Amino acid sequence: DAMVIQNPRYQVTQFGKPVTLSCSQTLNHNVMYWYQQKSSQAPKLLFHYYDKDFNNEADTPDNFQSRRPNTSFCFLDIRSPGLGDAAMYLCATSRGQGAMNEQFFGPGTRLTVL
Amino acid sequence: GQNIDQPTEMTATEGAIVQINCTYQTSGFNGLFWYQQHAGEAPTFLSYNVLDGLEEKGRFSSFLSRSKGYSYLLLKELQMKDSASYLCAVRDLDNYGQNFVFGPGTRLSVLP
Repeated sequence: DAMVIQNPRYQVTQFGKPVTLSCSQTLNHNVMYWYQQKSSQAPKLLFHYYDKDFNNEADTPDNFQSRRPNTSFCFLDIRSPGLGDAAMYLCATSRGQGAMNEQFFGPGTRLTVL
Repeated sequence: GQNIDQPTEMTATEGAIVQINCTYQTSGFNGLFWYQQHAGEAPTFLSYNVLDGLEEKGRFSSFLSRSKGYSYLLLKELQMKDSASYLCAVRDLDNYGQNFVFGPGTRLSVLP
């Protein structure tokens, strides 16, 4: 089945130790998104790519970077994780720019920072 | 600015009908989406409105009034498995229409 895959599902890192979260999709969608979701809060958009065009939300910390080497893969790099970065990180895709293009979410990676 | 409001929590009884409201103020509007999210899982798409009116999909219906900045999600014949958070999200026109803004979510508890 076509889907959005995130690895790993659970990631533990140490304070200040760089970590990379991975997302892949078999939907061949043009747009990929990274969200941060803390407990009982709404998902917060960090970045999105339309094809190779990168769009950074204005309030996304510089500590967060993203890469999309090809259509199928997208990575979230956290250069120096702090305790406040512990959260669920959701990857999502959508087909394109048309109004009726809902997002398909991956299962998420839960990041713990020790 | 962008602001989306939803009630924090709601409780309803199995078999009943519940309406979850969402009000929004965004810089642009390119559609409103409802997602269901079970605890610890990813959101899953429920419904979409871009024009005023009611969209019905089985037990779920969603309504939109663009002039009022208002939407609701109606769940009929509630089942225990409907206990989840329901997220309202607005797609605005920033970033070529790719900016989704999510509301805080409404945690629905369905009681037997």
